[in-house]
Amino acid sequence: NAGVTQTPKFQVLKTGQSMTLQCAQDMNHNSMYWYRQDPGMGLRLIYYSASEGTTDKGEVPNGYNVSRLNKREFSLRLESAAPSQTSVYFCASREQGAGELFFGEGSRLTVL
Amino acid sequence: AQSVAQPEDQVNVAEGNPLTVKCTYSVSGNPYLFWYVQYPNRGLQFLLKYITGDNLVKGSYGFEAEFNKSQTSFHLKKPSALVSDSALYFCAVRDPRGGSYIPTFGRGTSLIVHP
Repeated sequence: NAGVTQTPKFQVLKTGQSMTLQCAQDMNHNSMYWYRQDPGMGLRLIYYSASEGTTDKGEVPNGYNVSRLNKREFSLRLESAAPSQTSVYFCASREQGAGELFFGEGSRLTVL
Repeated sequence: AQSVAQPEDQVNVAEGNPLTVKCTYSVSGNPYLFWYVQYPNRGLQFLLKYITGDNLVKGSYGFEAEFNKSQTSFHLKKPSALVSDSALYFCAVRDPRGGSYIPTFGRGTSLIVHP
């Protein structure tokens, strides 16, 4: 059982380039999330999807877009990368009710 | 609004001694509370949760946490620390009223267990 799978694990971009982080879960969860983790800042929510077909902004959505492609997949796109988007990005999913989050292994992004 | 605080950036403990990682929260209603652990270069892993019922919750790897409503706290504890417990620990809270899907995470506490 793979759980939550994120690709790529590492990426280096130049300022202004675009890229998409992919996330897929095989647990049939309804809710999916994208977080970024920066030193001393903990986890900050970028976007979330409560269910297939819906997406909503989190705490730090500027500079990002998301797509809930189907129940399994939730992608995060950076249209024009900036150095401030250098971070580690985590995708997570959650089952209904009081369920805990299941996290992917993270995608480490550096923007030069 | 919901919030969570982890007042210590770092906790140091000797192997074999008991450990406590502190967490306090603020929600309007009854909270759902969670602890997660993150090992270096890994994603967060769920340790335990409090939803309702017994205030003492037992979780993975010998960890437990006590829900204290009057002090709005949910401290993580372990009777005897191991060097392998060294990691980053996150507390999270979610207010389930209105069907909220969003947990709020603390900033994390780095636990260092010395041999």
